Amino acid sequence: DGGITQSPKYLFRKEGQNVTLSCEQNLNHDAMYWYRQDPGQGLRLIYYSQIVNDFQKGDIAEGYSVSREKKESFPLTVTSAQKNPTAFYLCASTPRSWAQSSYEQYFGPGTRLTVT
Amino acid sequence: QKEVEQDPGPLSVPEGAIVSLNCTYSNSAFQYFMWYRQYSRKGPELLMYTYSSGNKEDGRFTAQVDKSSKYISLFIRDSQPSDSATYLCAMTNTDKLIFGTGTRLQVFP
Repeated sequence: DGGITQSPKYLFRKEGQNVTLSCEQNLNHDAMYWYRQDPGQGLRLIYYSQIVNDFQKGDIAEGYSVSREKKESFPLTVTSAQKNPTAFYLCASTPRSWAQSSYEQYFGPGTRLTVT
Repeated sequence: QKEVEQDPGPLSVPEGAIVSLNCTYSNSAFQYFMWYRQYSRKGPELLMYTYSSGNKEDGRFTAQVDKSSKYISLFIRDSQPSDSATYLCAMTNTDKLIFGTGTRLQVFP
């Protein structure tokens, strides 16, 4: 089965701890994205990567970090510097890259992170 | 003003009704327009996409884009309780999608 997997589905952490969310895709897509979804605010872009070993900040990158060492993997670390980390995190991918418009983004099932 | 505006709803309709979901936008450079459906606690799934102006039909779903008015619509015919979800519009002209906040739709039997 081709698709995007995110693990775990639910994650609980204490304030002050870093936590890493997993995102893997076997669609052979070039570009991958991380979004955060909060009630009433829609999806907000955290980071994205068009190619291995390269990534760009989105609209709300502060307090987050990413890596793209392999084409199929794009993990997101929520650091202790993120002031309000409790949210639903979504990973997406698209076959487009660089200058081509990236429509047709395909999403994973999401990870719900709760920090107390 | 947000780049993409979408009424959050909820929109409640009886089974069999025709549903109209809409978004307005301010950036005239947007060329690609998408509709996603998101069930509770799940990731969004792509329903329809259109390029530039015009209509696109897929089964019970029709997407319309009116670039002159900066207005896009998704119509659902013969709505079913299984259509109950949040519908997100998204649009782009670059490598990043801009999403609306989503409209929650409830179809009751």
